[in-house]
Amino acid sequence: DVKVTQSSRYLVKRTGEKVFLECVQDMDHENMFWYRQDPGLGLRLIYFSYDVKMKEKGDIPEGYSVSREKKERFSLILESASTNQTSMYLCASTDPWDHGYTFGSGTRLTVV
Amino acid sequence: QKEVEQDPGPLSVPEGAIVSLNCTYSNSAFQYFMWYRQYSRKGPELLMYTYSSGNKEDGRFTAQVDKSSKYISLFIRDSQPSDSATYLCAMRSPPGGSQGNLIFGKGTKLSVKP
Repeated sequence: DVKVTQSSRYLVKRTGEKVFLECVQDMDHENMFWYRQDPGLGLRLIYFSYDVKMKEKGDIPEGYSVSREKKERFSLILESASTNQTSMYLCASTDPWDHGYTFGSGTRLTVV
Repeated sequence: QKEVEQDPGPLSVPEGAIVSLNCTYSNSAFQYFMWYRQYSRKGPELLMYTYSSGNKEDGRFTAQVDKSSKYISLFIRDSQPSDSATYLCAMRSPPGGSQGNLIFGKGTKLSVKP
C-alpha cells in the first residue's frame, strides 16, 4: 500500500516560532499537496508540487512556504507561526493518472 | 457559486438505515468522481471512484454520477456504527496542470446510532 507519513501527529508551538511539517511518501509519486482542514471550511489547498524543486501556490499560501528537495519529501514551513494557523494539516500524494490522492494521517498543530 | 457543494450535516441515522450523501458541482469538465471517508483525527481515505456517468457498487456502498444534472451520490445500505465518519466528495478534470487537481466538497458528518 502507498504510504504517506507525516512526521508528527500533534504539535504545540508558540506564536512567532518557525515550524516545519514533514511529509514523506514511499510510492515514487510525482505530485504532492499540503492542505489545512478546519471545521466548516473543509480542505483548503496551501501549496502543491508536481516535481522536485517545483512548487505552486494553492488557495491559501499566505504565511506558508514549502520545500521539495527530493521526490519523496514535501515540507511545509510556517515562517512565523500565528494562532490563526492552528489547524489540522494534511499531506497527500498522487500520480497524474491515479485514482485520487493518498493522504497522511494529519498533523494537529496548535499555536499558543 | 462554489465549484462543489456538499451539505455538511450532521446526519444521524439508526443502524441498518439506508444513507444517501450528495454533492452538486458546476464545472462540466469534471470527469473523475470520488468519495473519501474520514474518521475522526485521521486523514481521508479513498472509498469509491467513478469515471464519468453511471453507477458503481462495492459491497454496501454505491456511487452514482449524473453528469447531466451535475449531481453525484453515495448510498450506504445496512449502515453500521463503524460507518460513522465524515464523507467528502471530490472530483476533477482530466490531468493537465493544476486543472487536474482534485476539488473537494466540505464533507458530510454521518453518525450511525446502534
